[in-house]
Amino acid sequence: DIQMTQSPSSLSASVGGTVTITCRASQNIEYYLHWYQHKPGKAPKLLIYTAFSLQRGVPSRFSGSGSGTDFSLTISSLQPEDFATYYCQQSYSTPRTFGQGTRVEVK
Amino acid sequence: QVQVMQSGAEVGKPGSSVKVSCQTSGGSFLNYAISWMRLAPGQGLEWVGGIIPLFGRPSVARKFQDKVSITAHKSTSTVYMELSGLTSDDSALYFCARGEKEYDFLTNGEFGTDDAFVFWGQGTLVTVSS
Repeated sequence: DIQMTQSPSSLSASVGGTVTITCRASQNIEYYLHWYQHKPGKAPKLLIYTAFSLQRGVPSRFSGSGSGTDFSLTISSLQPEDFATYYCQQSYSTPRTFGQGTRVEVK
Repeated sequence: QVQVMQSGAEVGKPGSSVKVSCQTSGGSFLNYAISWMRLAPGQGLEWVGGIIPLFGRPSVARKFQDKVSITAHKSTSTVYMELSGLTSDDSALYFCARGEKEYDFLTNGEFGTDDAFVFWGQGTLVTVSS
């Protein structure tokens, strides 16, 4: 199975700030890496697919980069609604695997 | 537009089984993969398994192979996940989700590399309690 390691596990940031979350795969997954946002009581939401493509309807302050084994999600100009938990997920192979999540909290 | 609707909360006794459903509308049922994810208290998202209804063969993560059965009912556009031999570890929120990759007989029933989880159900809380 492909292991996905996210860092940090949590972070504090201010409204208007910029945060970067990283995700490392245990083997080459090319561009088959997706990012999700999850808020308590809601369904997860796809933000970025295949490493850097912005899902329709997602604000452009979200961006993704990377390929191979190392990926990142950047949120610029943080808004109050962005405080949530973020997960990376690989679809290179089954079983699909997620990172352990990064909780973004208000500073 | 595509909608994904899950069945309501379930309470099961230790050792028993529960069956959770996931119905999709607004698109072809047969040609899109449906996956199940688990969100246990204090933990992150885990992929439980999935199925492409066109082929009917489920793929289940090794961790859940003795626990979960996934089936697809074409007549009702519904995918089911049955959890058996319930223990307290099975108490969690379970989500189903569908992608946008369209499968056909050329794909040999394999889950595609570019298939993200685009459309999600609202989640079903499973509680194991005596």
